[in-house]
Amino acid sequence: KQEVTQIPAALSVPEGENLVLNCSFTDSAIYNLQWFRQDPGKGLTSLLLIQSSQREQTSGRLNASLDKSSGRSTLYIAASQPGDSATYLCAVAYTGTASKLTFGTGTRLQVTL
Amino acid sequence: NAGVTQTPKFRILKIGQSMTLQCAQDMNHNYMYWYRQDPGMGLKLIYYSVGAGITDKGEVPNGYNVSRSTTEDFPLRLELAAPSQTSVYFCASVERSNQPQHFGDGTRLSIL
Repeated sequence: KQEVTQIPAALSVPEGENLVLNCSFTDSAIYNLQWFRQDPGKGLTSLLLIQSSQREQTSGRLNASLDKSSGRSTLYIAASQPGDSATYLCAVAYTGTASKLTFGTGTRLQVTL
Repeated sequence: NAGVTQTPKFRILKIGQSMTLQCAQDMNHNYMYWYRQDPGMGLKLIYYSVGAGITDKGEVPNGYNVSRSTTEDFPLRLELAAPSQTSVYFCASVERSNQPQHFGDGTRLSIL
């Protein structure tokens, strides 16, 4: 069964810290991997999408990496801010599945002043 | 710039009632999806569609039905509501397979 796991489930850091969120997946036949942000009571916002042929993607203070051989992805957030507080979800689209996403359970991030 | 629009935003149903959750996108996307999110859990796929007239089951389709008569609309039907269907339902769409999915704001459904 294709599973996606995110550890830790929750994380609290002081403002200004750099942090890493982890995502692991059991099937290496991925098509792409996406990181989403979800604010309370809201929908999902796509942050970064990494194609299976790529090793990393960057957007502003965010950097996502992909290592298919080890079944892992990380989301690096530089110089965290209170506005970064949200739940971060990792989702994998597998090859030949019409981009159906398999989601992890998310990491709830709180950035404190 | 509406994107993906879901209605209603909130709904309370009694056990055994039926309802349709609406989803519309104005981006001319071929692929559309329905997911449900239970508290503290990730999203699970209910049904999906790769184009008008084509639908298929996802991971948790029991108790639901869908139709896709137009590119824009992808309604989700609950025929006999059960407490286990209390959840937040998200609709998503994407133009083609290697693009990020766009999500609606969700429908929060409680069945009592």
